[in-house]
Amino acid sequence: GAGVSQSPSNKVTEKGKDVELRCDPISGHTALYWYRQSLGQGLEFLIYFQGNSAPDKSGLPSDRFSAERTGGSVSTLTIQRTQQEDSAVYLCASSRNNGPNYGYTFGSGTRLTVV
Amino acid sequence: AQTVTQSQPEMSVQEAETVTLSCTYDTSESDYYLFWYKQPPSRQMILVIRQEAYKQQNATENRFSVNFQKAAKSFSLKISDSQLGDAAMYFCAYRSAGGAQKLVFGQGTRLTINP
Repeated sequence: GAGVSQSPSNKVTEKGKDVELRCDPISGHTALYWYRQSLGQGLEFLIYFQGNSAPDKSGLPSDRFSAERTGGSVSTLTIQRTQQEDSAVYLCASSRNNGPNYGYTFGSGTRLTVV
Repeated sequence: AQTVTQSQPEMSVQEAETVTLSCTYDTSESDYYLFWYKQPPSRQMILVIRQEAYKQQNATENRFSVNFQKAAKSFSLKISDSQLGDAAMYFCAYRSAGGAQKLVFGQGTRLTINP
């Protein structure tokens, strides 16, 4: 596609439920990143994919968070047993390669509200 | 670990005037990249300008320019002839030239343009 697409745009869920957030990167972009942006805060790195593998998962805050990427394309971020502190905007970005000379393109994010 | 600090949570400027947003960072690396991103209410992060640490010349993109002081680890953004469309959150970000692929973000500065 022309840009990075994220769905849903907004998600309200009850505490304790599982949620899946989807990121569809730009076609041909091999690198994919997930970030979390809590209210009024900067972006916090969660996980990085190169192809289907995740060389850096260091930002995942707990074992309730997991992510996968299939076919070197779409990625899903799953949060199990959601808590109120999980409420945030989850942003995805992709890049043509993992080198610093390649710019990132960000999606518009999923705003997750846990009630 | 690298850190990025933006000490101005909010800034305001009159339309057509010039404003400077501050950013400092901490790193032991000698080669890296610095970025300024703009985040309008649509939530999508938009690249404003980028600077390679090995380049002494300050980057410029139309009305946007940076003052990169490597020894002081300072990377400020100057917006000239401010326009109403410049109103947004602005984030400073750091990326290693090799190894870690992630962007490390500051907390952001909310810029308001007064007509």
